[in-house]
Amino acid sequence: DAKTTQPPSMDCAEGRAANLPCNHSTISGNEYVYWYRQIHSQGPQYIIHGLKNNETNEMASLIITEDRKSSTLILPHATLRDTAVYYCIVIHYGGATNKLIFGTGTLLAVQP
Amino acid sequence: DADVTQTPRNRITKTGKRIMLECSQTKGHDRMYWYRQDPGLGLRLIYYSFDVKDINKGEISDGYSVSRQAQAKFSLSLESAIPNQTALYFCATAGTKNTGELFFGEGSRLTVL
Repeated sequence: DAKTTQPPSMDCAEGRAANLPCNHSTISGNEYVYWYRQIHSQGPQYIIHGLKNNETNEMASLIITEDRKSSTLILPHATLRDTAVYYCIVIHYGGATNKLIFGTGTLLAVQP
Repeated sequence: DADVTQTPRNRITKTGKRIMLECSQTKGHDRMYWYRQDPGLGLRLIYYSFDVKDINKGEISDGYSVSRQAQAKFSLSLESAIPNQTALYFCATAGTKNTGELFFGEGSRLTVL
């Protein structure tokens, strides 16, 4: 599975869009990008995933660059409850190598 | 009730003791995982299982063992606990349709004195 690189921390003002970057320059063609978040010691929560097209759901949007080497998770109107650690992971569906390795993530602090 | 249930939620034990953390799920998922979380280190995969007869080591399996007693149950054991196994442990499940979407339990906080 491809390795990911994320900034360790970011700040965002409440009500503004939070844009969280992730670099996955070694991603291969059949690997998906997944985003999770973890709110203070709770179990991580799935947010969104994509292969090459941009995706949107009720929680967030995922923008994947054309070369697929990086992506951005967008929280359109951040609230204080969005303060959490956000994990970007890359996985290959199926097969024995689907281990879902989490890195250290980005701590997003939403400021009032 | 939670779909993925971990017991105990908190445990304090002494060095050398045997500890079992249990995980049960009602989602009907085949895939189950055990992760460990230490401050500043993110989540690290200990073991994972894709069905009842399948057990695989993760990144940090030394000092741990697992048992998949049924599709719904996946237990993690520390045969002889040591202080550096003090951590927050998470169980997770995934279906076969969207294998990247994990459903996590609430965590088991283990302290080894």
